[in-house]
Amino acid sequence: AQSVAQPEDQVNVAEGNPLTVKCTYSVSGNPYLFWYVQYPNRGLQFLLKYITGDNLVKGSYGFEAEFNKSQTSFHLKKPSALVSDSALYFCAVRDPVDQTGANNLFFGTGTRLTVIP
Amino acid sequence: GAVVSQHPSWVICKSGTSVKIECRSLDFQATTMFWYRQFPKQSLMLMATSNEGSKATYEQGVEKDKFLINHASLTLSTLTVTSAHPEDSSFYICSAQTTSGTVGELFFGEGSRLTVL
Repeated sequence: AQSVAQPEDQVNVAEGNPLTVKCTYSVSGNPYLFWYVQYPNRGLQFLLKYITGDNLVKGSYGFEAEFNKSQTSFHLKKPSALVSDSALYFCAVRDPVDQTGANNLFFGTGTRLTVIP
Repeated sequence: GAVVSQHPSWVICKSGTSVKIECRSLDFQATTMFWYRQFPKQSLMLMATSNEGSKATYEQGVEKDKFLINHASLTLSTLTVTSAHPEDSSFYICSAQTTSGTVGELFFGEGSRLTVL
């Protein structure tokens, strides 16, 4: 079974400060990991993904995430937060061992990021 | 990038009526689409996987007779909430994967907020 945990419901950070949104996962094989962002009353927007290769993945809007296999984590980071980064962030995982044929993702419960001006 | 459109964005209906939500991939063909339900301040709950030309696969606990899914073409999937009741009020989101094989990357619609009076 695959699962994703986002231990923080809410993260507050001052504008200009670095931000981290935490994510840990559990899969039977090597994971495919994703971060999505959701603005109010909107669908999800893709930020970045880790499939293989370099553990540090860079994505949209200056975000990056580091895959840490030993800690089974994929924390989302940004060096300098903007007020416009305030949104709901979802970590997601897909277990490539899953051979159902559906490219389904399992989502964490989300972390609400608030960047304070 | 790939665009997924949902319609309507907002819908209010009376209890007992049926509501249809459309999910369209505008610039790509999607053999598989996913339907999610999101409650306030919660994560996305996968309802069903919709495959073009075949019956949808529903997740455990989702009533297939209540949530009718049709994927008649490679660019359109519909979700019909039949005999809607207030407890069906929620935010419904669809996603689609491209057939080009980009691993795990899903494109999401903007979501449809259903309110049943």
